[in-house]
Amino acid sequence: KQEVTQIPAALSVPEGENLVLNCSFTDSAIYNLQWFRQDPGKGLTSLLLIQSSQREQTSGRLNASLDKSSGRSTLYIAASQPGDSATYLCAAKRVQTGANNLFFGTGTRLTVIP
Amino acid sequence: ETGVTQTPRHLVMGMTNKKSLKCEQHLGHNAMYWYKQSAKKPLELMFVYSLEERVENNSVPSRFSPECPNSSHLFLHLHTLQPEDSALYLCASSQRVNSYNEQFFGPGTRLTVL
Repeated sequence: KQEVTQIPAALSVPEGENLVLNCSFTDSAIYNLQWFRQDPGKGLTSLLLIQSSQREQTSGRLNASLDKSSGRSTLYIAASQPGDSATYLCAAKRVQTGANNLFFGTGTRLTVIP
Repeated sequence: ETGVTQTPRHLVMGMTNKKSLKCEQHLGHNAMYWYKQSAKKPLELMFVYSLEERVENNSVPSRFSPECPNSSHLFLHLHTLQPEDSALYLCASSQRVNSYNEQFFGPGTRLTVL
């Protein structure tokens, strides 16, 4: 079974700092890895999706990398802003038949202090 | 409306009540999902429907009863719930049920069982 871990569980940084969120997964047979943002009590907003054949994806101040062989992905946020405060979830899409193929981590709660 | 919508956004119910959660997707997708998100736990897949047929029931107690009358609507009927069922219930949809299709999430229903 795929297990996805995110460390740290919570992170506080001052505004303007660059930061890295970590995601690790146990089964490298993934189709893609996706990073989501979740605001308190809200649903999931997709930020970046990296296909297994890719090494990284960028969107604005966000850059996500993927290293399948080591079972790791990182989300880099440049010049953090208070509006970036949220919980960030990663999810690994496993290559398999059947519908239960998306495995989530427990998230990193980010607080950016003005 | 676009994307995936869920109603109600918040629900408080007693253990003897019967209520239903509703999900609607406006993306023309053929697969719909129910997830449960409890505090400090990864998202748990509950049910998956493909073309209105249930294809996954992830060992969910019978007090949760899904219904998919058509490919755009998904319901979760609740009866005699327990306080530990309090959680955020998220609906998602995708074009098809397989590893290649991205899931799009609704805003969730925050359920509190008293």
